[in-house]
Amino acid sequence: DTAVSQTPKYLVTQMGNDKSIKCEQNLGHDTMYWYKQDSKKFLKIMFSYNNKELIINETVPNRFSPKSPDKAHLNLHINSLELGDSAVYFCASSQEAVNEQFFGPGTRLTVL
Amino acid sequence: EDQVTQSPEALRLQEGESSSLNCSYTVSGLRGLFWYRQDPGKGPEFLFTLYSAGEEKEKERLKATLTKKESFLHITAPKPEDSATYLCAVQAWGGATNKLIFGTGTLLAVQP
Repeated sequence: DTAVSQTPKYLVTQMGNDKSIKCEQNLGHDTMYWYKQDSKKFLKIMFSYNNKELIINETVPNRFSPKSPDKAHLNLHINSLELGDSAVYFCASSQEAVNEQFFGPGTRLTVL
Repeated sequence: EDQVTQSPEALRLQEGESSSLNCSYTVSGLRGLFWYRQDPGKGPEFLFTLYSAGEEKEKERLKATLTKKESFLHITAPKPEDSATYLCAVQAWGGATNKLIFGTGTLLAVQP
């Protein structure tokens, strides 16, 4: 059974386009996250939602907009894609703040 | 500023050759320290959480320990299937308490 799933797995697009990545968790967790992993494998948090409420919003361009329709889903919409947005984006979830976070398989975004 | 440094960046071991990975951290108040394993093309997989200095946790050939300034991941008699990138992350008290700050990882290669 898939715990945290993301779609699509790969996303190749042109500069200036708008794209979305979807995330779903079936663990019953109340907190979900978006992370960005750059080419040097450095993993950095972007956003966190707790029960559909935004609780972490790191220094991320406002072209990135997360949306949580319910506590099992957290989507990431990116407007006007730039070359520097190319990275692997991971969704994660946890039950309450202090517990371990479980990660999805990642979405590799390539902007040409 | 909260910070995590992992060393070495890369480590090559022969099968059966035990070693340790280091995670040094600077954090205003440690809420938890997490170890993850990441295989190529996959999301980080949770291994351990440590909360206080002196705490130790074990899982198969892996043992994680924690002091007030660093954590070690000891690998005893490693096998080729232990090859992966090992990531360390800290969670701090105050501010966004469920934010994980990651190190850049140690890439471990175990040769048969």
